[in-house]
Amino acid sequence: AQKITQTQPGMFVQEKEAVTLDCTYDTSDQSYGLFWYKQPSSGEMIFLIYQGSYDEQNATEGRYSLNFQKARKSANLVISASQLGDSAMYFCAMRERAAGANNLFFGTGTRLTVIP
Amino acid sequence: KAGVTQTPRYLIKTRGQQVTLSCSPISGHRSVSWYQQTPGQGLQFLFEYFSETQRNKGNFPGRFSGRQFSNSRSEMNVSTLELGDSALYLCASSEDHRAGELFFGEGSRLTVL
Repeated sequence: AQKITQTQPGMFVQEKEAVTLDCTYDTSDQSYGLFWYKQPSSGEMIFLIYQGSYDEQNATEGRYSLNFQKARKSANLVISASQLGDSAMYFCAMRERAAGANNLFFGTGTRLTVIP
Repeated sequence: KAGVTQTPRYLIKTRGQQVTLSCSPISGHRSVSWYQQTPGQGLQFLFEYFSETQRNKGNFPGRFSGRQFSNSRSEMNVSTLELGDSALYLCASSEDHRAGELFFGEGSRLTVL
């Protein structure tokens, strides 16, 4: 089974609107971390937001927030007030504590296009 | 604070050659991990080093190896290159190998001809 599933290969959003990128995960570990990264065409992976499995509050970083629903095993990324510079690939990833290392499992990504 | 630095950014090799990629983590970070990104396989974990010790290794052949130095800088080496090794190789660093945020460099794009 896939550890991370991103079901939206591509998404379009109007500039200044909000968009939600879906991510579901599969783990039997009680302790894990969830990440979102942005990858523009240049290739670098830009860290956006992190949520630990024991964090009770949803993580937020500026215009990014992570909608963490533990029982549903979902960790959706919400981008508010989209900007043209937000156009990129977005990857959801998970680290399991049991792995004992920074072994992230990545989803296949969602390509977001912001329309002016 | 400087980010994760990877060198070289781009390189072209031929089959059978070997290549060494370098990664300097964020100052104070002791964990360095490596990932391979290809269009077909996506992002895959190669290995991770913490305090000069390899903590975990992904499902890659022995041609892929790495090491970490006492200043936390890391290198990865691929010997006997194959066409399928063409990829973007990403290095990431974090303070701890078990928790917290993980920051990536810009990557080294390897093309094997």
